[in-house]
Amino acid sequence: DMKVTQMPRYLIKRMGENVLLECGQDMSHETMYWYRQDPGLGLQLIYISYDVDSNSEGDIPKGYRVSRKKREHFSLILDSAKTNQTSVYFCASSLSGHSDYTFGSGTRLLVI
Amino acid sequence: QQKVQQSPESLIVPEGGMASLNCTSSDRNVDYFWWYRQHSGKSPKMLMSIFSNGEKEEGRFTVHLNKASLHTSLHIRDSQPSDSALYLCAARAGAKLTFGGGTRLTVRP
Repeated sequence: DMKVTQMPRYLIKRMGENVLLECGQDMSHETMYWYRQDPGLGLQLIYISYDVDSNSEGDIPKGYRVSRKKREHFSLILDSAKTNQTSVYFCASSLSGHSDYTFGSGTRLLVI
Repeated sequence: QQKVQQSPESLIVPEGGMASLNCTSSDRNVDYFWWYRQHSGKSPKMLMSIFSNGEKEEGRFTVHLNKASLHTSLHIRDSQPSDSALYLCAARAGAKLTFGGGTRLTVRP
């Protein structure tokens, strides 16, 4: 069954700590995405990755960075987490930027 | 920065009724729209996509698109309580998919 897997599902961090969110896909999709979703709201695009080491800022990249060293793996890094980064983070992938998107189950991050 | 506006923000319909949701993009480069449904605590799941002018129907769901106005609408007939969810519209420009704020649909039994 083709899927996008996110780890961990739940995470609690203290303000100022570093955070690593992992995303994997088994579909050999070229394009991967990180979004965040705040309660009751739509998804905001943080970063796009077009392939290995080919990343581009989305609409809200400040405070985040990404790493993609293998096509199937895309990481989101928060250096020195802030309380306003408390959110649900979704990873998604698509075969190219022009095909349907598959979402992971999300990581619920609480920064205290 | 592209904006995707959805209306209404929330909608209550009776079971068996028709729900109509709207979505408009401000980016003339948009060439594709998706509608996603997201149940509470879950990830978005794609319902339908559309890129041509006109209408597309799948079961109880119908999507309309007017490319000139970059407006799409989703209509759900014979609404069921299980349709209660957050409905997200997404518009694609290049490889970038931008989401609207969503419409919260509640179907009352």
